[in-house]
Amino acid sequence: GESVGLHLPTLSVQEGDNSIINCAYSNSASDYFIWYKQESGKGPQFIIDIRSNMDKRQGQRVTVLLNKTVKHLSLQIAATQPGDSAVYFCAEKGGGSYIPTFGRGTSLIVHP
Amino acid sequence: DTGVSQDPRHKITKRGQNVTFRCDPISEHNRLYWYRQTLGQGPEFLTYFQNEAQLEKSRLLSDRFSAERPKGSFSTLEIQRTEQGDSAMYLCASSPGLDYGELFFGEGSRLTVL
Repeated sequence: GESVGLHLPTLSVQEGDNSIINCAYSNSASDYFIWYKQESGKGPQFIIDIRSNMDKRQGQRVTVLLNKTVKHLSLQIAATQPGDSAVYFCAEKGGGSYIPTFGRGTSLIVHP
Repeated sequence: DTGVSQDPRHKITKRGQNVTFRCDPISEHNRLYWYRQTLGQGPEFLTYFQNEAQLEKSRLLSDRFSAERPKGSFSTLEIQRTEQGDSAMYLCASSPGLDYGELFFGEGSRLTVL
C-alpha cells in the first residue's frame, strides 16, 4: 500500500554540523508535505512544509527539498544545536485528503 | 490562546476498564484529529472531525474506540474494555480547516493498561 518512511532511524551529529534527514514516500498523489519535530514527552511541533509545486523551501536554519521524480523529501538543518535533538517526522497528504500520514521518524542526536 | 489542551496527561488503568480522553482544540479551529502513537513509531491516524461532523472513522482500531465532538468545540475519545495493547500516547490536533496547513498538536494523553 501507500506509505511514508524514513531511511535512517538515528542520526548523530556534532554541534555546529549540518544535518540531513531523509524521507521516502510512495503516494504519487501526495501534494503537501510537512516536517515535524517531537521532543520526548511532547506532541509533534511543526517545522516547515512544502507543496508539490515547489522543490525547495527555506526557513530559519531549515531547508526542505522535494524530489518528485524519485519521491524523496529531505530536511536540512544548518548549524545543528543541542536543542535540535529530537525525533523528526515527515508527513504527507494526498490530493483531496485532509488527513496527514506520518512516517516512522528519525532520531537526531546532537553532541555538544 | 494556549494551544491544544489534552486531559489527562497520564492515565493508568486496569485491563477491562473504560477510559475517556478530552481534547480542547485551538479556538476557531474547525478540524480536530485524533492520532495514536506507540513507542518508536509515527502518529497513526484514528479519526477526525469537521466541526461536529465525524468525517472519517474507519481507521478507529476497533469498535471499542469511539470519539465525539458534540458542539464542534472539545472532543472526547473513549476506549471501552481496555486491553494491554491499547497502551500508547493518544494525540489530539486541530487545524483551521484550510486545504493546506499544519496540524497543531497537543501534548498527548499517555495510557498505560495494566
